[in-house]
Amino acid sequence: GEDVEQSLFLSVREGDSSVINCTYTDSSSTYLYWYKQEPGAGLQLLTYIFSNMDMKQDQRLTVLLNKKDKHLSLRIADTQTGDSAIYFCAELSGGSYIPTFGRGTSLIVHP
Amino acid sequence: NAGVTQTPKFQVLKTGQSMTLQCAQDMNHNSMYWYRQDPGMGLRLIYYSASEGTTDKGEVPNGYNVSRLNKREFSLRLESAAPSQTSVYFCASSVDSNTEAFFGQGTRLTVV
Repeated sequence: GEDVEQSLFLSVREGDSSVINCTYTDSSSTYLYWYKQEPGAGLQLLTYIFSNMDMKQDQRLTVLLNKKDKHLSLRIADTQTGDSAIYFCAELSGGSYIPTFGRGTSLIVHP
Repeated sequence: NAGVTQTPKFQVLKTGQSMTLQCAQDMNHNSMYWYRQDPGMGLRLIYYSASEGTTDKGEVPNGYNVSRLNKREFSLRLESAAPSQTSVYFCASSVDSNTEAFFGQGTRLTVV
């Protein structure tokens, strides 16, 4: 079955770049997503990438996809304290209605 | 534009009590989902409804039932609550397969 793995914690200093990594096992993945969850709130879609793309950039966010290694990363440039949250990687396989989520990476930003 | 609305936001139940978590979306989405979120476990799918009139089990359906009342509403029922069902429950919806899901704010349920 599908499996999505993420490290549980990442700690960075304010102003540095953050890189959150994700690996997945399903080679038929069509869409890969990054969601952000702030304390006490639901998940909010940050960005997504189609499986036929290698990179997507959106302001401070850069998503890199290595389809051969089934590795997805989210880079946040100039990380701010407001970026502190849990970041979920999710993948959607071809023909499936159901995205598979990783366990989430808690990003802690130190001043 | 409310998006996905869940009620209640918080609930405490005694073991054996029943309750229904309500979810409604105003985005005309076809698919709706119920997840539970537990520390260190990420999101686990309980049930989903690919379209109005259909429901299917997800990864952890035991102890739950669902009803897709109409296109807008998808409710989750706990018939006899157990402490293991203490969790944060999220409802989500999407246009259909292969599109991103929009999440509600969550219901924090404690079963004592």
